[in-house]
Amino acid sequence: DAKTTQPNSMESNEEEPVHLPCNHSTISGTDYIHWYRQLPSQGPEYVIHGLTSNVNNRMASLAIAEDRKSSTLILHRATLRDAAVYYCILLFGNEKLTFGTGTRLTIIP
Amino acid sequence: EPEVTQTPSHQVTQMGQEVILRCVPISNHLYFYWYRQILGQKVEFLVSFYNNEISEKSEIFDDQFSVERPDGSNFTLKIRSTKLEDSAMYFCAILDKEQFFGPGTRLTVL
Repeated sequence: DAKTTQPNSMESNEEEPVHLPCNHSTISGTDYIHWYRQLPSQGPEYVIHGLTSNVNNRMASLAIAEDRKSSTLILHRATLRDAAVYYCILLFGNEKLTFGTGTRLTIIP
Repeated sequence: EPEVTQTPSHQVTQMGQEVILRCVPISNHLYFYWYRQILGQKVEFLVSFYNNEISEKSEIFDDQFSVERPDGSNFTLKIRSTKLEDSAMYFCAILDKEQFFGPGTRLTVL
């Protein structure tokens, strides 16, 4: 499995943007970059995914480096409900999700 | 977004007993997954199930585990003889472009 590297933890102030980085230097050409998050006491939740181009949805934006060796999940305006562990996962097709330790995001009121 | 429910939400059992965990997707799906998360640890893949057959399983998924879709709706994970180390949150997921997870079943083995 292609590996990803994320900071263990980050903090952000409420209502400010949050940029969560992920390095994936061994990504293959067919790997999609997926982000999931896990809120306290809940199951993982899909956030966003992309291949090469930047992506936006109602939850977040995904900025992908031109060489695809890194990406950044952007929460435009963090709320307390965004406090969670965020996982960056490389995936092709219907493969299983391989979770790392992710980034624990703390939102400061 | 597909809805996935899991029952029971919490199961307490004695070591050596059999448990059956259930997953009920609201819509028809063909691809299912089971994951588990031991308290304080990573989410781990157990098994994937496609078109009524196991498509992939991890080394955790030994002979004590089985999965089936008995009635075309429910998707079950059975642990035949539970061990203390099976205590964990068990998550079912379905594939609908992305994987959507249920809320989990907390299994406590005493």
